[in-house]
Amino acid sequence: DGGITQSPKYLFRKEGQNVTLSCEQNLNHDAMYWYRQDPGQGLRLIYYSQIVNDFQKGDIAEGYSVSREKKESFPLTVTSAQKNPTAFYLCASSPQGTSSGANVLTFGAGSRLTVL
Amino acid sequence: AQRVTQPEKLLSVFKGAPVELKCNYSYSGSPELFWYVQYSRQRLQLLLRHISRESIKGFTADLNKGETSFHLKKPFAQEEDSAMYYCALESGAQKLVFGQGTRLTINP
Repeated sequence: DGGITQSPKYLFRKEGQNVTLSCEQNLNHDAMYWYRQDPGQGLRLIYYSQIVNDFQKGDIAEGYSVSREKKESFPLTVTSAQKNPTAFYLCASSPQGTSSGANVLTFGAGSRLTVL
Repeated sequence: AQRVTQPEKLLSVFKGAPVELKCNYSYSGSPELFWYVQYSRQRLQLLLRHISRESIKGFTADLNKGETSFHLKKPFAQEEDSAMYYCALESGAQKLVFGQGTRLTINP
């Protein structure tokens, strides 16, 4: 069953702690993305990666970090520097380049992070 | 800067009535536009993209470069159309920018 798996589904964190959200895909997609979804603000891009070992900042990268050591995996770390980390986080992937599916995102089910 | 604007946060129509969800964009290049939908308790998924020029679940969207718009339309709303709808713009290097979203409610 191909798709994107995000874990954990729910996560609670104390202020000052870093937390890492997992995103794994078995779609053989080259590009992967992290978005933050807040009510009334839509989806805002945190980081994206078009290829292994390379990634770019999105519109709201401050306080977040990522790695892309494997094609299948794109974990997101929410650091203590992120001022308002409580949110719903969505991971997505897409084919690369000129394929017909390029730019069509497949989304995970999301991870809800709550900072206590 | 690339931007997508969906002016309506909430939209409520009666079953059988026409639906139009508005989307405007700002982009200096040749845009590629999408509509994504999130039904209750389901994942966000692609509804349609402008280059396909197809109708999905009775919805259509036409790119109007003069008005920089990509409004989503359906002539007769159905209750199962109730969902959150997002307009998105590919702004280069496979980076998608999303609008704020419109929650559509179809009343019986």
